[in-house]
This record gives sequence, C-alpha cells and structure tokens, in this order.
Amino acid sequence: AAGVIQSPRHLIKEKRETATLKCYPIPRHDTVYWYQQGPGQDPQFLISFYEKMQSDKGSIPDRFSAQQFSDYHSELNMSSLELGDSALYFCASSADRGPGELFFGEGSRLTVL
Amino acid sequence: SQQGEEDPQALSIQEGENATMNCSYKTSINNLQWYRQNSGRGLVHLILIRSNEREKHSGRLRVTLDTSKKSSSLLITASRAADTASYFCATDALGGAQKLVFGQGTRLTINP
Repeated sequence: AAGVIQSPRHLIKEKRETATLKCYPIPRHDTVYWYQQGPGQDPQFLISFYEKMQSDKGSIPDRFSAQQFSDYHSELNMSSLELGDSALYFCASSADRGPGELFFGEGSRLTVL
Repeated sequence: SQQGEEDPQALSIQEGENATMNCSYKTSINNLQWYRQNSGRGLVHLILIRSNEREKHSGRLRVTLDTSKKSSSLLITASRAADTASYFCATDALGGAQKLVFGQGTRLTINP
C-alpha cells in the first residue's frame, strides 16, 4: 500500500540558508500535517492543511512557511536557518479532517551547520 | 511538552513481561491515540480511544482512558524484543482543533 513519501530524507545546510521539504500524502488523503522532532523530544506540531487551505497552526517560526498544492502534496519552506532548526521533520496525512489516525512519513532529517 | 507528561520516561523489562505506560494530558479531548516510533523512524498508529470510551483492546494492546483524571495507560502484554521502541500518546482537543498534540513519550526496551 502507498505510504506518505517525504523528500529529501537527509539534508545538510549552513546557517542562514534556505531549505524546502516535500511531502506526498497517501492518495485520497486530503489533510496534511507537519511536525518537528528534536533529539529525544516529542513531535511538535507545526502546521496543517485541509483541502489546500491552512487548517491549524502551531509553534511554527515566522521563518517557516508551508502550503498544500492542487495535487495535495505539501512543501515546508524554511529560511534563515538556525542551528536549532536541526531536527527530524515529519509529514503525516489523514483521510479525514478529524484528526483521526495519522499516517506518518519516514521524515526528513535536517542538519544545520 | 505542549500536552503533558508520560510516565515512565524509560522502561526496561524482560521479554514476556507486561509493560505499562501512562500518559497525562491537560485539556478536554475528543480522542486519545497511541503511536509507536522506532529510533529515527516515522510514527506508527497503534490505537485510538474516544473520550466516551474507558477501555479498548487490540491484539496484545490494552488502552484505558480516565477523562476525570485526564490520563491514559497503554498495556503491552507478553512483550517481545520487537516491541522495543518509543511510545507516545497524542490528543486532539475538544473544540475542533485540527492537530494532534503529543506527549513526551516512553522509551521501552525489551531485553531478550
């Protein structure tokens, strides 16, 4: 069965650079969530989209932005990267607006040097 | 954590024993879910319990929910080495918030 696809899986950037993470949800899932997980930490909610509209916002820095496109894939754009942005970034999708069960991708590991 | 505490933060037991993990949360909720995460991997949904349910079973998993105490427990019976992982509870707040808020997680180690 198709799962949530995230790319890239690993990314190394310098401070003050920009990074873009991509997420392809499970087909026919219309809700996408982004989470950030630091080492040894719980996943922190960043932002969610339902039917291409932002549906909720969490602790997402102003330097970050995200959108969901017409084909339901989503991109998380991060600018002016800081060392503290180093983390695993997860995308998840769900079949309803609930949120019910979330299906997570394998994550994108961002390292900022 | 945005949500609350999980207890214990780490648990190490022998294969075959039962493992119990607890979770507390702060707000009134619609549902509570439990997820499993192998190190550095994506989270995998285990079970969802609704706020009007008190107990739910799925295979070797048993989840309880006490909304008066704002707490939940996850019991894994007859543990296996493959159960070694971190376990997180997650809630969505009553009122229609479009997000799951995760607890801090319990790191479970099953010793063969």
